[in-house]
Amino acid sequence: DADVTQTPRNRITKTGKRIMLECSQTKGHDRMYWYRQDPGLGLRLIYYSFDVKDINKGEISDGYSVSRQAQAKFSLSLESAIPNQTALYFCATSDLPQQGGRYIPDTQYFGPGTRLTVL
Amino acid sequence: GENVEQHPSTLSVQEGDSAVIKCTYSDSASNYFPWYKQELGKGPQLIIDIRSNVGEKKDQRIAVTLNKTAKHFSLHITETQPEDSAVYFCAASRGRLQAQLWSRNVAAGNKLTFGGGTRVLVKP
Repeated sequence: DADVTQTPRNRITKTGKRIMLECSQTKGHDRMYWYRQDPGLGLRLIYYSFDVKDINKGEISDGYSVSRQAQAKFSLSLESAIPNQTALYFCATSDLPQQGGRYIPDTQYFGPGTRLTVL
Repeated sequence: GENVEQHPSTLSVQEGDSAVIKCTYSDSASNYFPWYKQELGKGPQLIIDIRSNVGEKKDQRIAVTLNKTAKHFSLHITETQPEDSAVYFCAASRGRLQAQLWSRNVAAGNKLTFGGGTRVLVKP
């Protein structure tokens, strides 16, 4: 989805290096997420943010940190990369629920992904 | 927490045949079940979703069914075409009630738990 962009698209790095993956969105959504995708494991949530002042850990946050610089920007950092962090990383956004309706389907819109390889 | 299992992990079908992907979930409080399609080199995109107050939903050639008692839901693709070749993910979450909309304590309700994915190949 062109409304959610990720940079870089591919990155190869060495063990111990600090890496930052960036996500930008033009959808105007408040909520942003970082996932990693590994074969056979689907997408697992690393961190999520409901607004600029709100950061929450997901199921696999160890070894990662995030920064929500603005409503439109959410960065994921690996302070000291290790080989088992080799994966495909996705950023996603979702909107605040609107008034009306009983159930709010949290549709998430994904970026194109960043393929990270840690040697 | 929620656990979602998805089968099969790979599925090969002839063009024109039907494809069925099944998912089971563990959290009886989950009430929102989206399906995402991921094409090569792209991020997942929502193709259809179902809420727990509905047993079936159709959109052209795709349909999703939900059995809350058994805690499983399925994606059905009929008359498959080569462009249906992709990886498909099911997911589950607790959709939030109207009363919880503006509460910051929505950690459980806003998170999607994904299945492991199914790689579908449609052979011409």
